[in-house]
Amino acid sequence: AQSVTQPDIHITVSEGASLELRCNYSYGATPYLFWYVQSPGQGLQLLLKYFSGDTLVQGIKGFEAEFKRSQSSFNLRKPSVHWSDAAEYFCAVQSYNTDKLIFGTGTRLQVFP
Amino acid sequence: KAGVTQTPRYLIKTRGQQVTLSCSPISGHRSVSWYQQTPGQGLQFLFEYFSETQRNKGNFPGRFSGRQFSNSRSEMNVSTLELGDSALYLCASSNTDPEKLFFGSGTQLSVL
Repeated sequence: AQSVTQPDIHITVSEGASLELRCNYSYGATPYLFWYVQSPGQGLQLLLKYFSGDTLVQGIKGFEAEFKRSQSSFNLRKPSVHWSDAAEYFCAVQSYNTDKLIFGTGTRLQVFP
Repeated sequence: KAGVTQTPRYLIKTRGQQVTLSCSPISGHRSVSWYQQTPGQGLQFLFEYFSETQRNKGNFPGRFSGRQFSNSRSEMNVSTLELGDSALYLCASSNTDPEKLFFGSGTQLSVL
């Protein structure tokens, strides 16, 4: 069955530090992968997506993610975190049955000044 | 261009009642999807409507239903509410591509 695992429920970093949020997927073929961000009281906003091609994907707000097929991972990174990045981050894979998105349980990012 | 609009923003109901949530998609978008978000389960897909027809359905009981109108606005109904239905219900609209999904801010439902 297709699934997405985000092993870190909560991560705390200092402003200016680098960030990596982990995402592992289970999928039978080449997956379509996404990262979304949800600020408090808001809906989800797409950060970036991977369909094929270059395994390093650039997104909005300075985020990037790397697709590693051998590790079934699609980790999100940012070299220098800003206080405004504090939010919840969701990794998702597109279901090959329904085309709908299957989300991970999310990682809450807290940023200290 | 206005975004996805969900009303109401907050709802408080008691067990056994029913509730209707509304979603107005981005103009021109014909697909509307509904998700339930809870702290423990993350986002779970409820169903998707396209041109007034339910196109996909997640694994939720029949108490959860929806519909879409000719103007693409969608409503979601939950009957016989249970405590476990307390969640943030998110609506998302798209034109044809699931990767171009735009989310509303959600309706926070609390069941007492």
